[in-house]
Amino acid sequence: KQEVTQIPAALSVPEGENLVLNCSFTDSAIYNLQWFRQDPGKGLTSLLLIQSSQREQTSGRLNASLDKSSGRSTLYIAASQPGDSATYLCAVLNPDSWGKLQFGAGTQVVVTP
Amino acid sequence: DAGITQSPRYKITETGRQVTLMCHQTWSHSYMFWYRQDLGHGLRLIYYSAAADITDKGEVPDGYVVSRSKTENFPLTLESATRSQTSVYFCASSGDYSSYEQYFGPGTRLTVT
Repeated sequence: KQEVTQIPAALSVPEGENLVLNCSFTDSAIYNLQWFRQDPGKGLTSLLLIQSSQREQTSGRLNASLDKSSGRSTLYIAASQPGDSATYLCAVLNPDSWGKLQFGAGTQVVVTP
Repeated sequence: DAGITQSPRYKITETGRQVTLMCHQTWSHSYMFWYRQDLGHGLRLIYYSAAADITDKGEVPDGYVVSRSKTENFPLTLESATRSQTSVYFCASSGDYSSYEQYFGPGTRLTVT
């Protein structure tokens, strides 16, 4: 059974520092991996999706890498801002899973001014 | 409004009452999902649907019923609400058969007294 882990559970960084968020999964035979952001009291917002054939995906200050063989993905957020404070979740999609995602528990990020 | 909407956004009900949470999406996505989010448990899949009239159980289906007579609607019914069903409920959809990227609604906060 696929298990998705995000460590650490919480992270605090000063403004301007680069953020590095980790996601690991136990079964490397994934179809894709999706990173989400969740603000308090809100729904999840899709940030990046990496297909299994891709090594990385970029959007603005965000860059996500994928290493299937080691079962890891990393989300980099450059030059963090207080507005980046949120919980970040990763989720993997396994083949033949009817679109069902397996979520990690998330990393709560606080960027201090 | 385009996108995925949920109603009501907040609901307080009593133990034993029937409650229906509504989910509506305007993209004509084939796949729809219901999750609950609780502290300490993260996001858990309740039910999902691959198309109109096709539904199946997720990880925590007990006490819930779903239907999907139209592609755009996916209501979730708590047949006899219990305090353990106090939670935040999220609906999601996906329709891209190459990426299966999932999009979430804003959530419904349900309190069962």
